[in-house]
Amino acid sequence: IAGITQAPTSQILAAGRRMTLRCTQDMRHNAMYWYRQDLGLGLRLIHYSNTAGTTGKGEVPDGYSVSRANTDDFPLTLASAVPSQTSVYFCASSATQERNEQFFGPGTRLTVL
Amino acid sequence: GQNIDQPTEMTATEGAIVQINCTYQTSGFNGLFWYQQHAGEAPTFLSYNVLDGLEEKGRFSSFLSRSKGYSYLLLKELQMKDSASYLCALTDSNYQLIWGAGTKLIIKP
Repeated sequence: IAGITQAPTSQILAAGRRMTLRCTQDMRHNAMYWYRQDLGLGLRLIHYSNTAGTTGKGEVPDGYSVSRANTDDFPLTLASAVPSQTSVYFCASSATQERNEQFFGPGTRLTVL
Repeated sequence: GQNIDQPTEMTATEGAIVQINCTYQTSGFNGLFWYQQHAGEAPTFLSYNVLDGLEEKGRFSSFLSRSKGYSYLLLKELQMKDSASYLCALTDSNYQLIWGAGTKLIIKP
């Protein structure tokens, strides 16, 4: 793989179900991010990780959790999905927290019914 | 707090020039990015300004005035493939990106 990948590409999910969105990068970037993008709104940061083993909360963290066990992977989990979590989710990475030109994955389109 | 404003939508003609403005208010500033996002795709990096002035990169240029809280993206010799949304994002004091809602640019033949 080259760059940053996300899986699945799209998903329809029943409310109340648990779901993990996967994100993997092969650029050895230290920092990774999860955003959601909704029509008419800018990208909103959900959670971030400045380096493996650490995570932080962004602007809209409620209902989401992340882990960063290694440099490459940064999964996002919805413990009990709700319809308001219907959105397009983008994972991104940057070389470091300070060198923060961010590279984005292709996105996951999630629909919660 | 932080706030970023950009026009929701603009229309321009193929071959022409268009300027997309971005104004911001922030308590901390470490640079400003412009990204391009085609419909259904991920954002891709266009430019980064940390100092005042104009940065030119081919048909695209980006300008920053930190004292005025203002930036613009200038696109020259517009092509149909430039139809996309253009996202302004500033880097705050914690090096997190704060994103504007984006400007949808429509190019007409």
